[in-house]
Amino acid sequence: DTEVTQTPKHLVMGMTNKKSLKCEQHMGHRAMYWYKQKAKKPPELMFVYSYEKLSINESVPSRFSPECPNSSLLNLHLHALQPEDSALYLCASSQGAGGGGELFFGEGSRLTVL
Amino acid sequence: KNEVEQSPQNLTAQEGEFITINCSYSVGISALHWLQQHPGGGIVSLFMLSSGKKKHGRLIATINIQEKHSSLHITASHPRDSAVYICAVGGGADGLTFGKGTHLIIQP
Repeated sequence: DTEVTQTPKHLVMGMTNKKSLKCEQHMGHRAMYWYKQKAKKPPELMFVYSYEKLSINESVPSRFSPECPNSSLLNLHLHALQPEDSALYLCASSQGAGGGGELFFGEGSRLTVL
Repeated sequence: KNEVEQSPQNLTAQEGEFITINCSYSVGISALHWLQQHPGGGIVSLFMLSSGKKKHGRLIATINIQEKHSSLHITASHPRDSAVYICAVGGGADGLTFGKGTHLIIQP
């Protein structure tokens, strides 16, 4: 299994809602990432988890809250988002936290905030 | 922080043409990634390079560590190759630094 699975594929939410994006991989990868991608722009790194511990938080607003319950799962909890947070949210994983390794991306969760 | 520059930003070519996309970066790296993204879609990793050259089907990627430069070549291009090709460097616990991407259109 060489897949990174993201759910949901599409999400529409209001500014007062609480929702979560989920990411799952069963490749034994120990590094997992959340990226945000706006239209026609490259992805921007949000968070890096290394061995289930948050290693990088790229100054992301607290309305985005990551969680890594175990080595296969990565969640992104969303609360009180703004319309400008509408974007494609991509999850990725790689084998090693220090050495990197080939990256595997999910198909993304397209978020629309009304 | 590493600066990643890609060229060209946009490229339109005819089916069958040989395509070259270039990537340069400012700081020495352990690995460089070439990624492909179709419109509205997720990202697929094409290559991860730390030295030399790799080939997969019609795709060839090369890297020159001393010159901090990499190229992605597509031979016998096909309309299904139309996508955004992204060069990215770094990885691991630091995540990736992405180039702005090359929008490739292959016309039949």
